[in-house]
Amino acid sequence: AQSVSQHNHHVILSEAASLELGCNYSYGGTVNLFWYVQYPGQHLQLLLKYFSGDPLVKGIKGFEAEFIKSKFSFNLRKPSVQWSDTAEYFCAVNWDYGQNFVFGPGTRLSVLP
Amino acid sequence: DAGVIQSPRHEVTEMGQEVTLRCKPISGHDYLFWYRQTMMRGLELLIYFNNNVPIDDSGMPEDRFSAKMPNASFSTLKIQPSEPRDSAVYFCASSLNGPHQPQHFGDGTRLSIL
Repeated sequence: AQSVSQHNHHVILSEAASLELGCNYSYGGTVNLFWYVQYPGQHLQLLLKYFSGDPLVKGIKGFEAEFIKSKFSFNLRKPSVQWSDTAEYFCAVNWDYGQNFVFGPGTRLSVLP
Repeated sequence: DAGVIQSPRHEVTEMGQEVTLRCKPISGHDYLFWYRQTMMRGLELLIYFNNNVPIDDSGMPEDRFSAKMPNASFSTLKIQPSEPRDSAVYFCASSLNGPHQPQHFGDGTRLSIL
């Protein structure tokens, strides 16, 4: 079965630290990749997406992600985090433009002021 | 633009009662998804519809759960009878042209079964 894993359950950083959250998925094929963010008490919002083209994708609020096909990975990065980035981050994958869409378990990010 | 609208925002009820959660997707979106979020299990896809037709309900936990989409602008998720382990936040999301497109989420319904 197709699956999505996220390396860290909870990440704690100080403001201005750099961030990298890991995401790996099973099975190759054509993938559409997403990162969603859920701020405390709110719904999920799209942070960025990759469909094709440049494997380095830029999203909102200074986030970016890099698709590495050979590693089945789509890691999220931000050079300098802010307290307001405290949230839960979900990686999600769709395979082959089909009906299979899977969310990862999420990584909780806590940024200390 | 109005986003995905869910009601109620909060529901507290006693076990054994019927619970109905409602969702209005974004106008024009042809896919609608129901998710359940808990601390233990994270975000789980329960069921999704395409053009009002259920496509995959393999995530529905058991027969106590049912979902309908009578028209393009309305869907319900019903639990009957409800149990304390059903307590969770239930999200509805919609998308245009398929699961491979970004999903737009509602604010969720926080359900507590006593």
